[in-house]
Amino acid sequence: GAGVSQSPRYKVAKRGQDVALRCDPISGHVSLFWYQQALGQGPEFLTYFQNEAQLDKSGLPSDRFFAERPEGSVSTLKIQRTQQEDSAVYLCASSPWTPEEANEKLFFGSGTQLSVL
Amino acid sequence: GQQLNQSPQSMFIQEGEDVSMNCTSSSIFNTWLWYKQDPGEGPVLLIALYKAGELTSNGRLTAQFGITRKDSFLNISASIPSDVGIYFCAGQGADSNYQLIWGAGTKLIIKP
Repeated sequence: GAGVSQSPRYKVAKRGQDVALRCDPISGHVSLFWYQQALGQGPEFLTYFQNEAQLDKSGLPSDRFFAERPEGSVSTLKIQRTQQEDSAVYLCASSPWTPEEANEKLFFGSGTQLSVL
Repeated sequence: GQQLNQSPQSMFIQEGEDVSMNCTSSSIFNTWLWYKQDPGEGPVLLIALYKAGELTSNGRLTAQFGITRKDSFLNISASIPSDVGIYFCAGQGADSNYQLIWGAGTKLIIKP
């Protein structure tokens, strides 16, 4: 498909388990964002990549959260020792532009719904 | 930190009615955006606003960037069933190039 693809679509984890969420952005897109969306809330910024460089990780809630984009395309968000408060939808968005060029041109994936029991 | 207050939280309307929702911010924004999110999907951009006072339309949707740069509204005219969903405002503050601040959403429900 031509859109942003996220997998898995749903993930159920036991508290304390590590999880890895994958994002396949649209081919050639420079910018990649991760957002966390709690139930009934708007998305909250987690981290931003420009190609392979992680330029901002100020939104990551704790050091249990780690994101990478080693080759400037696919990105993985890893959560270690999951807690119940990590339950949320994790959205990935990509853009062909840098934020300075066009901040609003974000294409979102359908998200990964994480439930921590 | 920056916060967005979006209202109303939900709306129950009849098909054909006009809809209005708004967002207010505790600080100045440089860009206001309106998104729609369907269940199980990511948000999709509806309208982007870049200048104070700007009024922009996209079909039956009209949005305005408030003069104070601290608020925005979205109007939907003659609502139809496919308008159902959650509408989010999002803004970019003066001190950030890319971190969008999002409202909590307005859920639109059309009564049969």
